[in-house]
Amino acid sequence: GQQLNQSPQSMFIQEGEDVSMNCTSSSIFNTWLWYKQDPGEGPVLLIALYKAGELTSNGRLTAQFGITRKDSFLNISASIPSDVGIYFCAGLRYGNKLVFGAGTILRVKS
Amino acid sequence: DTEVTQTPKHLVMGMTNKKSLKCEQHMGHRAMYWYKQKAKKPPELMFVYSYEKLSINESVPSRFSPECPNSSLLNLHLHALQPEDSALYLCASSQDPQNSPLHFGNGTRLTVT
Repeated sequence: GQQLNQSPQSMFIQEGEDVSMNCTSSSIFNTWLWYKQDPGEGPVLLIALYKAGELTSNGRLTAQFGITRKDSFLNISASIPSDVGIYFCAGLRYGNKLVFGAGTILRVKS
Repeated sequence: DTEVTQTPKHLVMGMTNKKSLKCEQHMGHRAMYWYKQKAKKPPELMFVYSYEKLSINESVPSRFSPECPNSSLLNLHLHALQPEDSALYLCASSQDPQNSPLHFGNGTRLTVT
């Protein structure tokens, strides 16, 4: 099925560093979602974005819905070891069908 | 803690067995979903139930049979599975079937031997 272009594929960063990842698409979405998945668990919703240009924060996380409605980014400030996991972006289409990015694997070096 | 509860957490079954996966949510959500996820890949949609009716079947083989007994429960009946069906099966729910974020359970890790 169709996927969003999510980058980077993986990151290995120092604790305390800021992290940035993004997703792009060739088509428009009405809603962008960011999920985090830890090993052995299901994806957990981090941030939901509903309007083009919207910038939303959740603690150390900040995400933006691109003006063109074809992209979104997620920033994590001052990373800590528990930020380790796989981060998925997802666009929501008509019929509530989620289109996922391939994921960004985040590893933090303490 | 997730508000979407899935049982069992792990399941091992032979190719001739019949088993069922169960999912429950008490958030009053009116849409429920089954996804299949392989290791380090994004979830893939299998089925969508909207107001207790099957609204989307993503061309899933008939050896997977969904059932929605009521607005809080979702089952996935399994029969004559293949080893390649081994995966994490995720249930999700959303407030309504239009433009509303999905909330996932922790999944059932299925191994077919």
